[in-house]
Amino acid sequence: AQKVTQAQTEISVVEKEDVTLDCVYETRDTTYYLFWYKQPPSGELVFLIRRNSFDEQNEISGRYSWNFQKSTSSFNFTITASQVVDSAVYFCALSEALEYGNKLVFGAGTILRVKS
Amino acid sequence: DTGVSQDPRHKITKRGQNVTFRCDPISEHNRLYWYRQTLGQGPEFLTYFQNEAQLEKSRLLSDRFSAERPKGSFSTLEIQRTEQGDSAMYLCASSLSQRFTYEQYFGPGTRLTVT
Repeated sequence: AQKVTQAQTEISVVEKEDVTLDCVYETRDTTYYLFWYKQPPSGELVFLIRRNSFDEQNEISGRYSWNFQKSTSSFNFTITASQVVDSAVYFCALSEALEYGNKLVFGAGTILRVKS
Repeated sequence: DTGVSQDPRHKITKRGQNVTFRCDPISEHNRLYWYRQTLGQGPEFLTYFQNEAQLEKSRLLSDRFSAERPKGSFSTLEIQRTEQGDSAMYLCASSLSQRFTYEQYFGPGTRLTVT
């Protein structure tokens, strides 16, 4: 069975601090996909990034970066120079291969509070 | 590009009543998913469609729940004889099942409160 663990329930930082959100996953599949979504107070889940299991390259997009390590089954998300607008709930998710439905298994989420 | 839309955004109903929610996916997306999210938790998968075919249902989807996607476009989720435990946010997502495009895009959700 697939499982995603986000051990950090809530993180509070002061604006301009860097913050890393942890994600650990479990799966028996050899092909799988990892995602991060942001859920701001408005409630709509916003897609941030997808990573394929066969591509361990880390990725940077502006102030966001992602570190995928198959050896530790982790897919961590770092926000550099955090801003108040980054305050939201962040979800890590895992899905199986496309031909098996590609349904998402989510972690419980990490609440990020960025204070000015 | 029009995103995923859901209607209504909020629904308050009394226990025992039936409710129906609608989801309109992104127009070219052939897959449509329903999830349920309770307070403080991540969304949980309920069911999904590829075009008009319902291909998988979660064990969370009791007999009181039924979903349809009659023409492979919009979908409806009906809950019969609602119970207080059905109170949650119901999320719809759509995706294009093509190689290397697996992202699911979510709608704003329908918040159901059963009194």
